[in-house]
Amino acid sequence: EPEVTQTPSHQVTQMGQEVILRCVPISNHLYFYWYRQILGQKVEFLVSFYNNEISEKSEIFDDQFSVERPDGSNFTLKIRSTKLEDSAMYFCASRPSGTITDTQYFGPGTRLTVL
Amino acid sequence: AQSVTQPDIHITVSEGASLELRCNYSYGATPYLFWYVQSPGQGLQLLLKYFSGDTLVQGIKGFEAEFKRSQSSFNLRKPSVHWSDAAEYFCAVGPRGNTPLVFGKGTRLSVIA
Repeated sequence: EPEVTQTPSHQVTQMGQEVILRCVPISNHLYFYWYRQILGQKVEFLVSFYNNEISEKSEIFDDQFSVERPDGSNFTLKIRSTKLEDSAMYFCASRPSGTITDTQYFGPGTRLTVL
Repeated sequence: AQSVTQPDIHITVSEGASLELRCNYSYGATPYLFWYVQSPGQGLQLLLKYFSGDTLVQGIKGFEAEFKRSQSSFNLRKPSVHWSDAAEYFCAVGPRGNTPLVFGKGTRLSVIA
């Protein structure tokens, strides 16, 4: 069964450094998402992406964050200058189309630790 | 604004016992409701979803959930828990269209012999 993959599984970085989290969505999916979960807290929406542009973003997704689909298969989340509070599990998800009954399929997550 | 509450942070049940995980939501219109499960090192796997129709929905791995509009609840149940069910369970609500999911904080299920 096709699945969403994410790399790396765990990323450790120093505060102020840039990180890029990578996702490969399911191949025929059109909508892409990033969510994050700070330890002990809820899974929170960051951004959705469709047709090569951001379709919605949360207040968490500030100028330090950016997303890109550079080559038609990867979907990346970049954090320009990481802060301690960016430490979290980051989940990528994809969805086949825009119909109501479509399900979002999630990847295994990347655990980001900012020191 | 929509929100999801999972009142139980951690539940421990004996193998073979029944299970009910609680989920309450707040949403102005007809919600679309989901239960996801996350095993250690794994992604969020969809267990079941409710969009409309029969309020008792069946999912994978023997799980079911019942939508009760009057109680704003969507509780997850399983009649007999297996040790492999130990995981984190997330309830989520999704409004129409391409809008993002809103998750609860999750309930961690431990299964003892």
